[in-house]
Amino acid sequence: DAGITQSPRHKVTETGTPVTLRCHQTENHRYMYWYRQDPGHGLRLIHYSYGVKDTDKGEVSDGYSVSRSKTEDFLLTLESATSSQTSVYFCAISEEGLSGNTIYFGEGSWLTVV
Amino acid sequence: AQSVTQLGSHVSVSEGALVLLRCNYSSSVPPYLFWYVQYPNQGLQLLLKYTSAATLVKGINDFEAEFKKSETSFHLTKPSAHMSDAAEYFCAVISDTGRRALTFGSGTRLQVQP
Repeated sequence: DAGITQSPRHKVTETGTPVTLRCHQTENHRYMYWYRQDPGHGLRLIHYSYGVKDTDKGEVSDGYSVSRSKTEDFLLTLESATSSQTSVYFCAISEEGLSGNTIYFGEGSWLTVV
Repeated sequence: AQSVTQLGSHVSVSEGALVLLRCNYSSSVPPYLFWYVQYPNQGLQLLLKYTSAATLVKGINDFEAEFKKSETSFHLTKPSAHMSDAAEYFCAVISDTGRRALTFGSGTRLQVQP
């Protein structure tokens, strides 16, 4: 257990509304990530963070923004949700070790945009 | 850019049979390679990872994978399938050591027949 909590776990929202997903970690890991999972695509990186207030884009960042004001929290915001953003969102952390980095995932947030 | 190809989106085996899930990667630098398993409606669980210490990597639940540089492969095997192994399996590679983010294959769904 890497101490990752995602909230909400399930959400249904209407097109055009803002949505924020929260990822909370308890072990002070520097790197945090947001991925989305869609059938046939595996997981794709949306944004990542390498420290407080340090974030960068991934492969599918359009329509998403992130913020990290504290080490333990990494927020993903959909400014104006669209149906194409219906997906399962996973937060992850990178645990640094002697044998390199290992990335652990949260339990996921199921988002439906209607 | 690094990439991962998983051959076969669906694999079906009989209980007790050998499991072989294929993964090929492209990388311009020595990679870190991972296998994750996802059970329905759950997050991703790390099965094993390759970090150059040994080409044959043993993971949880009797899974193992062999890194073959000449074939750019990292296939996952298990000698004897159990019903509980039915899940989706993802191969992934660290895309660059800077952001330490995983690039995923599209996944292979393993079905185990009684």
